[in-house]
Amino acid sequence: QSVLTQPPSVSGAPGQRVTISCTGTSSNIGADYDVHWYQQLPGTAPKLLIYGNNNRPSGVPDRFSGSKSGTSASLAISGLQAEDEADYYCQSYDSSLSGYVFGTGTKVTVL
Amino acid sequence: QVTLRESGPALVKPTQTLTLTCSFSGFSIRTSGMCVSWIRQPPGKALEWLARIDWDDDKYYSTSLKTRLTISKDTSKHQVLLTMTNLDPVDTATYYCARIFCSSTNCYHDAFDIWGQGTMVTVSS
Repeated sequence: QSVLTQPPSVSGAPGQRVTISCTGTSSNIGADYDVHWYQQLPGTAPKLLIYGNNNRPSGVPDRFSGSKSGTSASLAISGLQAEDEADYYCQSYDSSLSGYVFGTGTKVTVL
Repeated sequence: QVTLRESGPALVKPTQTLTLTCSFSGFSIRTSGMCVSWIRQPPGKALEWLARIDWDDDKYYSTSLKTRLTISKDTSKHQVLLTMTNLDPVDTATYYCARIFCSSTNCYHDAFDIWGQGTMVTVSS
């Protein structure tokens, strides 16, 4: 039972820009806990993509960017590439649950 | 290079107890700020955080699973263990361990920066 809500799927043509929303509540994103994003390629483990709302780990292309406002966060992928086809998850901390929470996940399809 | 690897039984019967091992290298869980968590993912579903153990042996659990989980560490073997009791078919999932390096108070703002490859566990009679 995911606490953070994401659209089930988004799609775009190569080169286009897509965004994925992550909607939370006042006990997680709205409580000013950082949001992180993970990319899960088919059949593999999740990989950290964005940390601390808008920071990229070393090696992550600058095509990926994150933002946060109020009780929501977003991941943007610009210059969409075939290799970006994957599931994407947001994650934060929830004070009511006293634990880490993940989003419902979004499948990105490159048309 | 930091790596984590999960191991454990692939098939468990309902009501049995599951013990998973996370073997890691490239860091020491004795280091202040180092933590390891367990996260699971049922087939085709989202990720779910289960538990976390810290360098100072503090332990934290998902409130919904707290009564069934025990996390521990063997510092000398560079391993973190997770025990889950009273398994049910709904516990069928890929179980991952992941590292957190705490740079914030109580690690609430920190991400899971390195993940293991995961181990699939099926609960079936």
